[in-house]
Amino acid sequence: DGGITQSPKYLFRKEGQNVTLSCEQNLNHDAMYWYRQDPGQGLRLIYYSQIVNDFQKGDIAEGYSVSREKKESFPLTVTSAQKNPTAFYLCASRLREGGSYKQYFGPGTRLTVT
Amino acid sequence: GQQLNQSPQSMFIQEGEDVSMNCTSSSIFNTWLWYKQDPGEGPVLLIALYKAGELTSNGRLTAQFGITRKDSFLNISASIPSDVGIYFCAGQLREYGNKLVFGAGTILRVKS
Repeated sequence: DGGITQSPKYLFRKEGQNVTLSCEQNLNHDAMYWYRQDPGQGLRLIYYSQIVNDFQKGDIAEGYSVSREKKESFPLTVTSAQKNPTAFYLCASRLREGGSYKQYFGPGTRLTVT
Repeated sequence: GQQLNQSPQSMFIQEGEDVSMNCTSSSIFNTWLWYKQDPGEGPVLLIALYKAGELTSNGRLTAQFGITRKDSFLNISASIPSDVGIYFCAGQLREYGNKLVFGAGTILRVKS
């Protein structure tokens, strides 16, 4: 069954703790992305990776870190430096067909920090 | 960062009515994507558009890539209760490293 999986669906942490969100894809897509979604808002790009062992900051990278050691996996760590970590986090991967792109999303992880 | 203006912000319509929403920008895009998001879930890709003027359908959904490449619209015909959700447009900019820029979303509610 192909797709993008994110785990867990819901995550609760105490303030000051780092937390890592999982994202795995078996679609053989090269590029992967992390977005943050706040209530009533669109998606904001945190980090992205176009190839293994390489990644770039998005628009709101402060307080987050990522790694891309395998093509299938792109975990996101929310560090204690992130001032407002409570949000819905979405992972995505991108298929390139010729010069055209399609981006697909995982089911999301809702992180609550208290 | 780059911005897309998506309108309307929300719609509350009667079941069976047609729906229209659009996205505009001052930038020229090389791809437009339309997504639907159900509460607590990830967005699902509905339609992808790659050429100016392109008109593409997916069941009751029809989307068009504007001639100027700065806008796109999505129409839903004969709405049904399961159309409820948030619809997002996303544009891809070569100048932005081919990353997607998202609109803020249109919330669709349907009265049955």
